[in-house]
Amino acid sequence: EADIYQTPRYLVIGTGKKITLECSQTMGHDKMYWYQQDPGMELHLIHYSYGVNSTEKGDLSSESTVSRIRTEHFPLTLESARPSHTSQYLCASTSGYGYTFGSGTRLTVV
Amino acid sequence: QKEVEQDPGPLSVPEGAIVSLNCTYSNSAFQYFMWYRQYSRKGPELLMYTYSSGNKEDGRFTAQVDKSSKYISLFIRDSQPSDSATYLCAPSTNAGGTSYGKLTFGQGTILTVHP
Repeated sequence: EADIYQTPRYLVIGTGKKITLECSQTMGHDKMYWYQQDPGMELHLIHYSYGVNSTEKGDLSSESTVSRIRTEHFPLTLESARPSHTSQYLCASTSGYGYTFGSGTRLTVV
Repeated sequence: QKEVEQDPGPLSVPEGAIVSLNCTYSNSAFQYFMWYRQYSRKGPELLMYTYSSGNKEDGRFTAQVDKSSKYISLFIRDSQPSDSATYLCAPSTNAGGTSYGKLTFGQGTILTVHP
């Protein structure tokens, strides 16, 4: 059973709406990540965090923002959703031995 | 040139076949080599983890690393329909990724095992 939880699993939303994708882990991991993955395509790192109050942008430029106020919580926010944001968003964490991934949020912006 | 190149597939094999999945990498500092399995509409899960060159076996799965040629492989024996998934290689400089934990993933190989 996954120790990292993402909600919602699926989201269909209209252009211009503000959305927050939730990610929580119960393992006490300091390092957390957000990846973006289009169907059948590579994982692209868009944000990561070393710990509370630490956030950095990843390799792929993204209009989203993240926050890390608590160790267990790493939400991703899009202030104004666009169809180009349609993708799967995967959250992950690590204690230093591989990653544990959530099941992902599949976002569709119409 | 990408840091990690993975045979894109897709691969389609009959049940019981031996499957070989392969990656090459360019960073000679990679010491840890991980394979992830991703089922459709799920997040990747860590399948196997090896350190430095050599082989590691876990049930029907064998991970092989050849650092001299920067080549890593995952073999699946007696493949089953339940093995149908995308397989991602992820070499790294340390167990949790780079100094800030970043893992570099291959683009994934889609495997289908048909009964």
